[in-house]
Amino acid sequence: DAEITQSPRHKITETGRQVTLACHQTWNHNNMFWYRQDLGHGLRLIHYSYGVQDTNKGEVSDGYSVSRSNTEDLPLTLESAASSQTSVYFCASSPETGLGYEQYFGPGTRLTVT
Amino acid sequence: AQSVTQPDIHITVSEGASLELRCNYSYGATPYLFWYVQSPGQGLQLLLKYFSGDTLVQGIKGFEAEFKRSQSSFNLRKPSVHWSDAAEYFCAVGAPANTDKLIFGTGTRLQVFP
Repeated sequence: DAEITQSPRHKITETGRQVTLACHQTWNHNNMFWYRQDLGHGLRLIHYSYGVQDTNKGEVSDGYSVSRSNTEDLPLTLESAASSQTSVYFCASSPETGLGYEQYFGPGTRLTVT
Repeated sequence: AQSVTQPDIHITVSEGASLELRCNYSYGATPYLFWYVQSPGQGLQLLLKYFSGDTLVQGIKGFEAEFKRSQSSFNLRKPSVHWSDAAEYFCAVGAPANTDKLIFGTGTRLQVFP
């Protein structure tokens, strides 16, 4: 069955380290998204991509970067992890632009920056 | 700018009781509206969505929602809650011109007592 996976599911890292969170989907969806979820804020969009080689900044992109070299993967990199980036990160994908296609979410990665 | 408000942070109901979760949105035209559910430790799953047409929308797991333009609301309802409905519920809005990007509310945590 097609799915969207995230790895690792849990990660503890130190301040200043570079961290990469993986997201992989097997639906062949064009659109992929990264969100962070924090208490009192709901989900906030970090970066998104509409296809290979396309990346765009979301609402809270500072300190994060993404790259899209193929359809299936959109890794999220924290260049220099900060305690403020402790959060739960969700990856999502959707098939097409416009028309309000549903976004399908991965199980999430809980990141702790100490 | 689009925004979504979920006024209730936490709701507790008894099993078998009816449920209504509130969602208010801010957008200049008719938006695309979504309700997602997040079970503990899981990603988000779509319950239902509204684009146009009938303002009463049926979803999965016995949920429904009603779009009321005059009140800028899209409240989620269920006539009889089951213990398995305990979860966090998120309302989200997408602009018709750009539905690929969703704005999420801060969520409502539902607790169900036996």
